[in-house]
Amino acid sequence: EDKVVQSPLSLVVHEGDTVTLNCSYEVTNFRSLLWYKQEKKAPTFLFMLTSSGIEKKSGRLSSILDKKELFSILNITATQTGDSAVYLCAVEANSGYALNFGKGTSLLVTP
Amino acid sequence: DGGITQSPKYLFRKEGQNVTLSCEQNLNHDAMYWYRQDPGQGLRLIYYSQIVNDFQKGDIAEGYSVSREKKESFPLTVTSAQKNPTAFYLCATPSGGGNTGELFFGEGSRLTVL
Repeated sequence: EDKVVQSPLSLVVHEGDTVTLNCSYEVTNFRSLLWYKQEKKAPTFLFMLTSSGIEKKSGRLSSILDKKELFSILNITATQTGDSAVYLCAVEANSGYALNFGKGTSLLVTP
Repeated sequence: DGGITQSPKYLFRKEGQNVTLSCEQNLNHDAMYWYRQDPGQGLRLIYYSQIVNDFQKGDIAEGYSVSREKKESFPLTVTSAQKNPTAFYLCATPSGGGNTGELFFGEGSRLTVL
């Protein structure tokens, strides 16, 4: 059975801190790993990673995938209160029909 | 603008009542998905449809039903057989129009059973 495990489940930091969110997975015939940010309603897409060791970066957010060790990290530097959200990791298999999501990490950035 | 629209945003129902959540997309996409989200939980797949007039059960289909009579519409009915229907329901379609990959979500429907 495919599994996606995120850690920590919740995190509180101060503005300006750097945070690292973790996602480990077990999936047959891995195709891609995706990160989403969910504030109040719909999750919004952040990154898709398919190749190991490649870093995807967008502003203060970056993510890297380790296909050998079966995990990914999402880094947020110089956090702002607007980064407060639930961050979801999802994995897609070649033989799959839908994304398999982890439980998410709830991040709270305090002023 | 192309997009995916869910309605209603908030819904209350009494126990024993069926309720139907609407999901409409004007992106001309074949694949559509319904996910359920509970507090502190990730998204769990209820049903998906890869083409009109066809749909498949996801991981938690019990107590739910769907139809896909039109390409742009994928309504979800929460039946009285669903034991814990209070949840946040999200409809999605692949952003690129194919199957899976990056999903584009509607704004969600929050169902509360009184």
